[in-house]
Amino acid sequence: RKEVEQDPGPFNVPEGATVAFNCTYSNSASQSFFWYRQDCRKEPKLLMSVYSSGNEDGRFTAQLNRASQYISLLIRDSKLSDSATYLCVVGPGSYIPTFGRGTSLIVHP
Amino acid sequence: ETGVTQSPTHLIKTRGQQVTLRCSSQSGHNTVSWYQQALGQGPQFIFQYYREEENGRGNFPPRFSGLQFPNYSSELNVNALELDDSALYLCASSSPGTEIKAFFGQGTRLTVV
Repeated sequence: RKEVEQDPGPFNVPEGATVAFNCTYSNSASQSFFWYRQDCRKEPKLLMSVYSSGNEDGRFTAQLNRASQYISLLIRDSKLSDSATYLCVVGPGSYIPTFGRGTSLIVHP
Repeated sequence: ETGVTQSPTHLIKTRGQQVTLRCSSQSGHNTVSWYQQALGQGPQFIFQYYREEENGRGNFPPRFSGLQFPNYSSELNVNALELDDSALYLCASSSPGTEIKAFFGQGTRLTVV
């Protein structure tokens, strides 16, 4: 079993839709969780941290479920510019993070 | 712009050759990590340097080596290149204790033929 697993997609949604991705992790001792966004042929960029209490940044909401060992990212009111690959990142602490393979999102008009 | 710069942006090498990739970290960041990202995959951690010392290594063979310089810039060296080494090589800089909140450079796309 891979340490961090994501459905590669693509998720194909119309503008304005709500879409959610999950990411499962195998190491129950994991402490740090993040979502990164990667545009085609570009470098990954930090999107948001994921906390046990959940956190929200505008249209984006991230959740952590430690009991089931997964994190989620919810995007509301999708924009064309949200089209990208979303990478989940899990770390034992803040050190040597493990990236998932990413989930591709395509938002169409 | 993250302030992390990598060179070159693209490179074509022949199997068996050696390659050196370079990274300048963001001002104030003394930790540099290197990742390999194959097509359709997430970045895989190669190693990390802190204060010119290797500070952690992923599952990569010894022919992948690195250096960090006093100004915190870094090099990734790969010897005896193999076709499977073709990938995007990403450098990320961070402050100690915040390695997961890293700022990535634009990457070097290496093609081994």
